[in-house]
Amino acid sequence: QVQLKQSGPGLVQPSQSLSITCTVSGFSLTSYGVHWVRQSPGKGLEWLGVIWRGGSTDYNAAFMSRLSITKDNSKSQVFFKMNSLQADDTAIYYCAKRGGGNYFDYWGQGTTLTVSS
Amino acid sequence: DIQMTQSSSYLSVSLGGRVTITCKASDHINNWLAWYQQKPGNAPRLLISGATSLETGVPSRFSGSGSGKDYTLSITSLQTEDVATYYCQQYWSTPLTFGAGTKLELK
Repeated sequence: QVQLKQSGPGLVQPSQSLSITCTVSGFSLTSYGVHWVRQSPGKGLEWLGVIWRGGSTDYNAAFMSRLSITKDNSKSQVFFKMNSLQADDTAIYYCAKRGGGNYFDYWGQGTTLTVSS
Repeated sequence: DIQMTQSSSYLSVSLGGRVTITCKASDHINNWLAWYQQKPGNAPRLLISGATSLETGVPSRFSGSGSGKDYTLSITSLQTEDVATYYCQQYWSTPLTFGAGTKLELK
């Protein structure tokens, strides 16, 4: 069955970077894109970006300057990196599989990030 | 960016009753709308795509309707397990955007 499993740190200091690995199973990264979404009490659900099955990416303009999404198809892994973190980046970060359109039919378990010194 | 407005942040509901959750887009989204259910501690769960297409495994008491800018998620005969927060999401254009959510609370 389709699964997305996330790994990454839960606490980073201001100005540092966040790196999360999303390891997928039950589907191929060459067949489906993987999106990244975050959720916070203050801003709700925010779409961050996507890596398409062909490897190209699209980012939310609000985050484009400090966001990078890459992947390794052979390892079924997607890599998320966000730089220059501040306190308002505190949120739960999710990877999610693209469905038949740009909606999300399967989600990772989430990575809870706290940005604090 | 397309703004998604869920007019009710909270709805007080009764078991066995009918629930209607509304979502309005700031521009036409041509039925490119999804609905999600989220329970505390869990990731959102996809219920409906294409405004009206029920995902496999989702109970038939859930239904979606709407067109243009205005969309609705309905739940008939509300069950205990339906008490959750519901979000709409447009995928007509990027950035993909979500509503702020409607939380169901039992009367």
